[in-house]
Amino acid sequence: EAQVTQNPRYLITVTGKKLTVTCSQNMNHEYMSWYRQDPGLGLRQIYYSMNVEVTDKGDVPEGYKVSRKEKRNFPLILESPSPNQTSLYFCASSLFGQTTYEQYFGPGTRLTVT
Amino acid sequence: AQSVTQLDSQVPVFEEAPVELRCNYSSSVSVYLFWYVQYPNQGLQLLLKYLSGSTLVKGINGFEAEFNKSQTSFHLRKPSVHISDTAEYFCAVSGSLSGGYNKLIFGAGTRLAVHP
Repeated sequence: EAQVTQNPRYLITVTGKKLTVTCSQNMNHEYMSWYRQDPGLGLRQIYYSMNVEVTDKGDVPEGYKVSRKEKRNFPLILESPSPNQTSLYFCASSLFGQTTYEQYFGPGTRLTVT
Repeated sequence: AQSVTQLDSQVPVFEEAPVELRCNYSSSVSVYLFWYVQYPNQGLQLLLKYLSGSTLVKGINGFEAEFNKSQTSFHLRKPSVHISDTAEYFCAVSGSLSGGYNKLIFGAGTRLAVHP
């Protein structure tokens, strides 16, 4: 089954404790991205990757890091989480090219930073 | 830069009534339009998309949307809603002015509540 998986689904942590949210897709997609969803703001892109070892900032990259060492995986790293990073996070993947392709979303990770 | 405005944050409606969820975007230049649905505690599912061609787009679950270039709108409609349509709906756009064809710019969302 074609899917995007994220782990963990729920996470409660404390300020400053480094964490990683994993994302994996099994569709051989080149493009992967992370979004955060906040009430009244919709989803905003954090980082994206066009292929292995190619990453770039989205609209709200402050406080986040990513890496793309393998095509299927795109982890999101919060090295020193703060309460304003409490949010619902989605990973997405798609084919990449000079047109638009359907984005496939993971189930989401609800992060609470206290 | 591209932006998306969903005109209603919440839409209450009775079961079997028609519904329209409104979406406006800022520019028609090389734009692709999408509607996603998010059921409680779930991820986003694509309802329908407009890439080119016919301005009336039909999607899953009986939803349809009309691309109106002159009004820069992409409103979502369903002639008769069910309780199971209760969810949050997001309008999104991608294109050359949104940062690339793969990047989605989302509206703030519209919460559809269907009452018996």
